[in-house]
Amino acid sequence: NAGVTQTPKFRVLKTGQSMTLLCAQDMNHEYMYWYRQDPGMGLRLIHYSVGEGTTAKGEVPDGYNVSRLKKQNFLLGLESAAPSQTSVYFCASRTSRGPRGQETQYFGPGTRLLVL
Amino acid sequence: AQTVTQSQPEMSVQEAETVTLSCTYDTSESDYYLFWYKQPPSRQMILVIRQEAYKQQNATENRFSVNFQKAAKSFSLKISDSQLGDAAMYFCAYRNPIYNQGGKLIFGQGTELSVKP
Repeated sequence: NAGVTQTPKFRVLKTGQSMTLLCAQDMNHEYMYWYRQDPGMGLRLIHYSVGEGTTAKGEVPDGYNVSRLKKQNFLLGLESAAPSQTSVYFCASRTSRGPRGQETQYFGPGTRLLVL
Repeated sequence: AQTVTQSQPEMSVQEAETVTLSCTYDTSESDYYLFWYKQPPSRQMILVIRQEAYKQQNATENRFSVNFQKAAKSFSLKISDSQLGDAAMYFCAYRNPIYNQGGKLIFGQGTELSVKP
């Protein structure tokens, strides 16, 4: 049981390049989230998904796209990277079932992205 | 909109002593969840403790406990018998109701805790 994993761990891009970050969870969770963390700030929500085949925008969605073709995977895409997207990206997941107390989001280890 | 404020950018504690990290939040909801996450240099987000707003009893997890004041919208974290491994960035987080952006977490700015030997 690996929990939430993210690929890659670190990446350097040039302005205008594209890339996809992969998040995978093996806990059969319905909800998945992508956050970004900038220096001196907490995490902010980019996009989220409440189930396979569904996605929705969060607080800071501009410049990003997502897809959830399989329940266990949540992909975050940057079509044309910009220096402002230099950040650490976290994926998280949580279940929608179980007793009332099952409200915790479980986080992946993060992906550090540098856009030059 | 909901907000979370951590007014202490940095805190320091002597090993084996007790420290309290402050957090305030703003919401019009009555049923919500509050969390403290720890982020060590590895950047992994680790859940420290969780509080359900409908519960009046303060949550505790070993050396970690909270002081939840619902009316004052205050949620502080107390770390007892501080250890060197407690040194990290600590984030307070509020969880939206599920119908609001999928129950996203709203984070404070963080408090950097250092532990002196």
